[in-house]
Amino acid sequence: GENVEQHPSTLSVQEGDSAVIKCTYSDSASNYFPWYKQELGKGPQLIIDIRSNVGEKKDQRIAVTLNKTAKHFSLHITETQPEDSAVYFCAASNMRFGAGTRLTVKP
Amino acid sequence: DAGVIQSPRHEVTEMGQEVTLRCKLISGHNSLFWYRQTMMRGLELLIYFNNNVPIDDSGMPEDRFSAKMPNASFSTLKIQPSEPRDSAVYFCASSLVLSNTEAFFGQGTRLTVV
Repeated sequence: GENVEQHPSTLSVQEGDSAVIKCTYSDSASNYFPWYKQELGKGPQLIIDIRSNVGEKKDQRIAVTLNKTAKHFSLHITETQPEDSAVYFCAASNMRFGAGTRLTVKP
Repeated sequence: DAGVIQSPRHEVTEMGQEVTLRCKLISGHNSLFWYRQTMMRGLELLIYFNNNVPIDDSGMPEDRFSAKMPNASFSTLKIQPSEPRDSAVYFCASSLVLSNTEAFFGQGTRLTVV
């Protein structure tokens, strides 16, 4: 089955800096790659997703890139703010999640 | 729609007792996923359904765990008998179709088995 690996497990940045989280997957048939944000005490919530027919997608300060050849995709957050502090998860088509990245944005 | 609704939000039970977690899907959604979240193992996919039919239960840890969808809008996850190592936050999520689309998560049930 699909195996999704996510790095780093923790990430601390200064407010205003950029943050990058990377994931790799194993199943070449996967064609949908969502990113979820989980705030304390809540369930994960979709923030952005990308399908295999595009290489990059952007939504304001958040962007996701996909390299199907290398089987990896990344989440980029620019101009980070304290409210971006949360746990971020990547997933592949079959809804299996990476281990998560705890992002802390220091004011 | 109020979103995916899970109950109870918190459950404390004694080892050996039966525990039933409940989930109401978003109206019109056809797929349902159960996850377990712990610090050690992250967000594990336990089982998922499509059109009320279990598709993959390979993530269910043991025979003590069972899940059902008695109708298109409701699901239960049962643990019998419960053990302390079952303590975790359990999430259900629903989506319009089985794959390649957003999943909407409930608020989770925090289970503590003492």
